[in-house]
Amino acid sequence: DAGVTQSPTHLIKTRGQQVTLRCSPKSGHDTVSWYQQALGQGPQFIFQYYEEEERQRGNFPDRFSGHQFPNYSSELNVNALLLGDSALYLCASSLVHRAQETQYFGPGTRLLVL
Amino acid sequence: AQTVTQSQPEMSVQEAETVTLSCTYDTSENNYYLFWYKQPPSRQMILVIRQEAYKQQNATENRFSVNFQKAAKSFSLKISDSQLGDTAMYFCAFMKPSQGGSEKLVFGKGTKLTVNP
Repeated sequence: DAGVTQSPTHLIKTRGQQVTLRCSPKSGHDTVSWYQQALGQGPQFIFQYYEEEERQRGNFPDRFSGHQFPNYSSELNVNALLLGDSALYLCASSLVHRAQETQYFGPGTRLLVL
Repeated sequence: AQTVTQSQPEMSVQEAETVTLSCTYDTSENNYYLFWYKQPPSRQMILVIRQEAYKQQNATENRFSVNFQKAAKSFSLKISDSQLGDTAMYFCAFMKPSQGGSEKLVFGKGTKLTVNP
């Protein structure tokens, strides 16, 4: 049973660039949530996708956007990168039809913005 | 908005001993879910234990148990017979129920636990 996978594992970008992070949910899951974890902090919710639409959004600017594909995989895009975007980006998957089902996390993508 | 507070930034315990991590939360909801997640240095976030607020019985998973005090809005994690592999960041998280799908998790800032040999 494949768990949540994310790519790439590490990424280095410069200010102003754009980045795309990818996530494949756990087998059988249909909902993907993205979180940003700054160093020494707890994860902060960015947004959630279900049925290829954004269902919920946290307090993040429009520079952060996403997409979900028919196979439930998802991408997180960040435009006009700032130094403060340096963080660990976590993807979590769950199953909507078990509304309070546990979210399972991937290993994360470490983004460094120089 | 819900908030989660973990008042112990760091803790340490000797191998085989018991340690308790604290978590308090603030919400106006009556039904909700609480979680403890573990994040080892390898960084993969792993679910440790989950508690539904409508259940009075405290959740238990092997060496891990919680003390859920709904009126006090407290949700502590007890680790018995601590093992070196328990060394990790531990995050307390809150989720309110949803009519149609999974809700977002609200996390505390975490407690860094070190198990010493």
